[in-house]
Amino acid sequence: AQKITQTQPGMFVQEKEAVTLDCTYDTSDPSYGLFWYKQPSSGEMIFLIYQGSYDQQNATEGRYSLNFQKARKSANLVISASQLGDSAMYFCAMRGPSGGYNKLIFGAGTRLAVHP
Amino acid sequence: SQTIHQWPATLVQPVGSPLSLECTVEGTSNPNLYWYRQAAGRGLQLLFYSVGIGQISSEVPQNLSASRPQDRQFILSSKKLLLSDSGFYLCAWGTSGGTDTQYFGPGTRLTVL
Repeated sequence: AQKITQTQPGMFVQEKEAVTLDCTYDTSDPSYGLFWYKQPSSGEMIFLIYQGSYDQQNATEGRYSLNFQKARKSANLVISASQLGDSAMYFCAMRGPSGGYNKLIFGAGTRLAVHP
Repeated sequence: SQTIHQWPATLVQPVGSPLSLECTVEGTSNPNLYWYRQAAGRGLQLLFYSVGIGQISSEVPQNLSASRPQDRQFILSSKKLLLSDSGFYLCAWGTSGGTDTQYFGPGTRLTVL
């Protein structure tokens, strides 16, 4: 069965520093996608970044990058130059097996606090 | 650009009362639509998904149901709410192919008393 594990319930970082949020996954499907979402206190889930299992390079989107290590089944999110507005819950998710729809399986999340 | 709406934003309902949450999407055609529930401090759990009008699949047995009367409208319902139905309900849309990214609405916070 597919599974996403986020082992850090909470992290804190100083403003302007970089931070890495961990995510490991388990799947037997050779084709899969990995996502990171941000959930601020308002509750909306905001899509941040995507990594496909066949992508040769690590995904980047502005200050977000995904450290994809396929052999270790990890997909860590790196946020560079942290800002106060980055304080939120962060969820790692994996697209489920293909077959007409795309179920997302979510980890438990990591709460990030950015300190001034 | 695409926009997804959910209402109401918050809802307090007594046990045993009915429920109707609505989700609508603008700016896209024939989207895949999803209902997720998030318990306090937890990740999201998929409840229902739909690949077209009238096509609903359930992921978890419960006293909730979903309907898709129009291409871009997705409704979550219950005839009689339970205390355990409390939570944050999120609707999402996506398309098949490409990255299959799902985009979420603002959510509805439901409290059953």
